[in-house]
Amino acid sequence: SQQGEEDPQALSIQEGENATMNCSYKTSINNLQWYRQNSGRGLVHLILIRSNEREKHSGRLRVTLDTSKKSSSLLITASRAADTASYFCATLEAAGNKLTFGGGTRVLVKP
Amino acid sequence: EADIYQTPRYLVIGTGKKITLECSQTMGHDKMYWYQQDPGMELHLIHYSYGVNSTEKGDLSSESTVSRIRTEHFPLTLESARPSHTSQYLCASSEYIANYNEQFFGPGTRLTVL
Repeated sequence: SQQGEEDPQALSIQEGENATMNCSYKTSINNLQWYRQNSGRGLVHLILIRSNEREKHSGRLRVTLDTSKKSSSLLITASRAADTASYFCATLEAAGNKLTFGGGTRVLVKP
Repeated sequence: EADIYQTPRYLVIGTGKKITLECSQTMGHDKMYWYQQDPGMELHLIHYSYGVNSTEKGDLSSESTVSRIRTEHFPLTLESARPSHTSQYLCASSEYIANYNEQFFGPGTRLTVL
């Protein structure tokens, strides 16, 4: 099973609504990162939250981290059609040097 | 846009051919990675490198090989392509900063083996 698992697998919302997706992981981590992937393209780094942080903001993005539950959430506020993409969480294990990616959440924002 | 490039972007090739997927980055990053990703699925790390002359196998077993002769270049080679190798291959790089590891990705190579 994966280190990082996203929930839901797919999400369809109207433009202007908020989109929330969750990521759960299994081992102790050093940090957790969220990436975005447009169809058929490479990934783009969105935000990194360290294990000693609980919340972080970047523009319309808000990330939370609960290490006791081994989970993180990504909130996109006031979504736009251009936010349509797949969003992946990735964890850097506490003793590791590699990122482990989850399966992603496919977000469709309808205009 | 990250300064990391992959060529070709698309490749359709017959079974048994030898292929090399190119990856170059101009950011001076020490660490480089190759991931394999099937459509709509998670990324699987197949190879990575800490720097020149360093290559390591990733979490997913792969019949491909890599080399790192120069910092900026991390090519992936398949000696004999098979239909099971059909997938998207993503190259990434990062600075060698302990406990950080933000990765920058190339646009990917979509490989189809007939």
